[in-house]
Amino acid sequence: ILNVEQSPQSLHVQEGDSTNFTCSFPSSNFYALHWYRWETAKSPEALFVMTLNGDEKKKGRISATLNTKEGYSYLYIKGSQPEDSATYLCAFLAGTASKLTFGTGTRLQVTL
Amino acid sequence: DVKVTQSSRYLVKRTGEKVFLECVQDMDHENMFWYRQDPGLGLRLIYFSYDVKMKEKGDIPEGYSVSREKKERFSLILESASTNQTSMYLCASSPTGVEQYFGPGTRLTVT
Repeated sequence: ILNVEQSPQSLHVQEGDSTNFTCSFPSSNFYALHWYRWETAKSPEALFVMTLNGDEKKKGRISATLNTKEGYSYLYIKGSQPEDSATYLCAFLAGTASKLTFGTGTRLQVTL
Repeated sequence: DVKVTQSSRYLVKRTGEKVFLECVQDMDHENMFWYRQDPGLGLRLIYFSYDVKMKEKGDIPEGYSVSREKKERFSLILESASTNQTSMYLCASSPTGVEQYFGPGTRLTVT
């Protein structure tokens, strides 16, 4: 079983703070790295699919970077808002695999 | 928009009962997946299917079986529910097996 780790496990920030969290994955046999946002009582929603080393993706105030050589991805949220409160999951797809391996998630809570 | 629906949001069953969790997708996707999510463990794959009547074991298939008789429907079966199967169950579908679209989840409690 592949090891995909996320840190921190949980995070509590004030509205307006910028924050970031990490996903670590095996650096060999990389194919793709996914980020999902999972709000309470809703379905996990895809944020980004990243495939190239050095990739940087952005959606509004949320961005992600990818380093496949060292096996990590960062997710950044600029100016956090209460609606950003969710669990953020990363998922790794190896080149030979047909299924995603998920990390344990980072639970973000943004308060006023 | 892709829509993945699950038959129940909350379910309470007794130990030893046979439990069916149903998942339906409306986008003609080939691939469907069943996961369970437990605190501190993330999403773990139970079974997946890449075509009608085809199934593959995931990382934690013990105690579960699946059925895919029609392309749009993927059922997860707990033959004899046990308390350690209390969990959140998520279904997903995918056209390629890569980007996945999730249902809202079923929170199953086995007492």
